[in-house]
Amino acid sequence: EAGVTQFPSHSVIEKGQTVTLRCDPISGHDNLYWYRRVMGKEIKFLLHFVKESKQDESGMPNNRFLAERTGGTYSTLKVQPAELEDSGVYFCASSQDPPQLLRGRGRTDTQYFGPGTRLTVL
Amino acid sequence: KNEVEQSPQNLTAQEGEFITINCSYSVGISALHWLQQHPGGGIVSLFMLSSGKKKHGRLIATINIQEKHSSLHITASHPRDSAVYICAAYSGGGADGLTFGKGTHLIIQP
Repeated sequence: EAGVTQFPSHSVIEKGQTVTLRCDPISGHDNLYWYRRVMGKEIKFLLHFVKESKQDESGMPNNRFLAERTGGTYSTLKVQPAELEDSGVYFCASSQDPPQLLRGRGRTDTQYFGPGTRLTVL
Repeated sequence: KNEVEQSPQNLTAQEGEFITINCSYSVGISALHWLQQHPGGGIVSLFMLSSGKKKHGRLIATINIQEKHSSLHITASHPRDSAVYICAAYSGGGADGLTFGKGTHLIIQP
């Protein structure tokens, strides 16, 4: 079974340009998460999709970031316009069942991570 | 908001040593992940646990929910275990994403 894939693996752009990152979750996983790690800091949550709907986007830093998941399959994360502080590694993860649904049953599903996209804004 | 703290930040050990990495968090959680990231590589989920202990090969993870603390142990460590180990907990306050620790950079020398 294929794991979570992300494209591109690396992207180098200039400040002010636009970049679109793509994540393909594991087939059948309704839940898709975006995270990022900026230089020297811990990984931080950006947002969570359940199918095509945004369940939680509390971690999105500002309105330069737009995430979509049309049809509930792959997801894109667009940064427009990119700024220097957007440089970092963007990770995507997917899981079968959402944590909120399972909390009442005392079970939480494993998130499977993609390899990440390293974004460098010059 | 959950705060996740890991210790140590950096650890260098000799091959064969028993390794312990600690993780503490501030808000009660439903589950905690231990993740591994190799240099230049992606993230691999090692364990997800909500109570007790789990073992996989030379890796053992334990969690004490009352004390809000988890540990990752590596027995008979090997240079290929060199990586960054990260603990991550489900955030409090209804947020669905994980809250990550800063990671422990482990180097096992031959």
